[in-house]
Amino acid sequence: GAVVSQHPSWVICKSGTSVKIECRSLDFQATTMFWYRQFPKQSLMLMATSNEGSKATYEQGVEKDKFLINHASLTLSTLTVTSAHPEDSSFYICSASSSGNTEAFFGQGTRLTVV
Amino acid sequence: AQSVTQLDSHVSVSEGTPVLLRCNYSSSYSPSLFWYVQHPNKGLQLLLKYTSAATLVKGINGFEAEFKKSETSFHLTKPSAHMSDAAEYFCVVTQGAQKLVFGQGTRLTINP
Repeated sequence: GAVVSQHPSWVICKSGTSVKIECRSLDFQATTMFWYRQFPKQSLMLMATSNEGSKATYEQGVEKDKFLINHASLTLSTLTVTSAHPEDSSFYICSASSSGNTEAFFGQGTRLTVV
Repeated sequence: AQSVTQLDSHVSVSEGTPVLLRCNYSSSYSPSLFWYVQHPNKGLQLLLKYTSAATLVKGINGFEAEFKKSETSFHLTKPSAHMSDAAEYFCVVTQGAQKLVFGQGTRLTINP
């Protein structure tokens, strides 16, 4: 199957700083990328959908000024958590799919801890 | 709107015995359904998917699932559990345009 690489796999940052998470499709062109958030022992909640070259579509309740998403190329999307707070600590997972494909391929996830 | 309900938050079985993880879905049109597995602090791995072809779908690691439209179910089964099957399992339905809706997850524990 296709490979999606997410980096970093874990990060610790100070409260008030910003953190960038990268999601790369290594062997296919990802026309659509999705960003999810997962709290401990809970399911994945979709945060936003991004299409290459367009502004991301955020789910209700997700602050777009806090969670900045950029999808500037067909192989890379980034999620920047701005002015991070301890309550932003979570597991963030991206997925990517190509045009017309019902299957999405997931990155390994990023464990963010804000101290 | 599409939704998924995983009927058990936690399932515990003995090694070598059958596994059954239950999933019911709600969809306003013919859905695509998936089962994913997640090991601790890892991403998600696709086990199998149903996309309107054969109703009995075989996946990796000996797992299979049967799509039953009359029961709106897509239960995941495996004849004989292995210790390495211990993980979190998610039933997922598409909500059009590749958007996935996740069930709450079922944690599978395997007892020696």
